[in-house]
Amino acid sequence: GAVVSQHPSWVICKSGTSVKIECRSLDFQATTMFWYRQFPKQSLMLMATSNEGSKATYEQGVEKDKFLINHASLTLSTLTVTSAHPEDSSFYICSASPLAGVTDTQYFGPGTRLTVL
Amino acid sequence: KQEVTQIPAALSVPEGENLVLNCSFTDSAIYNLQWFRQDPGKGLTSLLLIQSSQREQTSGRLNASLDKSSGRSTLYIAASQPGDSATYLCAVRAGRLQGGSEKLVFGKGTKLTVNP
Repeated sequence: GAVVSQHPSWVICKSGTSVKIECRSLDFQATTMFWYRQFPKQSLMLMATSNEGSKATYEQGVEKDKFLINHASLTLSTLTVTSAHPEDSSFYICSASPLAGVTDTQYFGPGTRLTVL
Repeated sequence: KQEVTQIPAALSVPEGENLVLNCSFTDSAIYNLQWFRQDPGKGLTSLLLIQSSQREQTSGRLNASLDKSSGRSTLYIAASQPGDSATYLCAVRAGRLQGGSEKLVFGKGTKLTVNP
């Protein structure tokens, strides 16, 4: 089956530093990748959608200059949280779709737990 | 704006019991509805996908129904097992982003505990 990996699985950083999270599709090419954020006891919220080779589309209320998304290849997307603050502490999950924009074939990664001190 | 609500937020049952998880959504103009399972600190596993034209889907001990007009879906788990313990998420596919993709809107989930 289609496998999506994320690295790191957890990270702790100091306030003000930047953190990069990688999302890889291991056995398929992902035309579209999605980044979600999940706060404790809250639902997954879509942050942005990225298509390989083009700029990401951010959801309303998500700062594109703070959450930098790069989807430079068909198997790798990265999310960089710049100048992280404690309120950015959350569970970040990516998903990948092998077909352009067809979300019923999204395959989810295991998530990355970010803690900002 | 589409909103998805799941009731109850948590459920604890003895092993072997049949149970029902509920999901409701505010905008009935959905393309499909999906039930996922999430284990602690882990990603999501898709359980069942119901297209908007369908009324139910079954997989093993799981049965999901969809009443699009009333904005409701249920996930029925038969003969529950301790291994079923997880958080169950309901998500609807709603709207279209630029380029033709559709995003998923998730509920907060129901945390299920099946006691041996």
